Amino acid sequence: AQKVTQAQTEISVVEKEDVTLDCVYETRDTTYYLFWYKQPPSGELVFLIRRNSFDEQNEISGRYSWNFQKSTSSFNFTITASQVVDSAVYFCALSEANYGQNFVFGPGTRLSVLP
Amino acid sequence: GAGVSQSPSNKVTEKGKDVELRCDPISGHTALYWYRQSLGQGLEFLIYFQGNSAPDKSGLPSDRFSAERTGGSVSTLTIQRTQQEDSAVYLCASSMTIETQYFGPGTRLLVL
Repeated sequence: AQKVTQAQTEISVVEKEDVTLDCVYETRDTTYYLFWYKQPPSGELVFLIRRNSFDEQNEISGRYSWNFQKSTSSFNFTITASQVVDSAVYFCALSEANYGQNFVFGPGTRLSVLP
Repeated sequence: GAGVSQSPSNKVTEKGKDVELRCDPISGHTALYWYRQSLGQGLEFLIYFQGNSAPDKSGLPSDRFSAERTGGSVSTLTIQRTQQEDSAVYLCASSMTIETQYFGPGTRLLVL
């Protein structure tokens, strides 16, 4: 069955530090999608990235980068030179292609970036 | 509209009353999802609609919860005989099959 684990419940860093948010998933499918969403204090979930299971290339977008490793079933998210505006809850999610189209979300990691 | 919209944004009701929450998905999106997020918690899947197929209701917590999607577009989530533990933010999302989900702003439900 699908499962997404985010072992870090809360992380606090000081501004300009780098921080990595961990995501480990379980799936029975060979074709699947992984996602990261950001939920700022305002509450609305914001899509950050989608990665399909056949593309293990790491991706960088500005201060954000993602490390997808199928060997360890992980899809970790790193914020470089964190800023106060990065403070939010971050959710990792998984969608399987061949076993229903239900999205499963991890429990989230609350990131606090202190000035 | 450009994004997913939900109404009302906030709802306060008394225990035992019925409530209806509405979701307008992004035009053309065939899939629609309802989630519940209790204070400080993650997202709890409730129900999923895909086109004209029978909905996946596996996440509905009790038979007091039901949802429908009319004409493959607007969806209504109904909670009958509300209980205090139903208090949460109810989030709707839409997508094109297994593509990215886009979320609405949510409806904050408070049951007194």
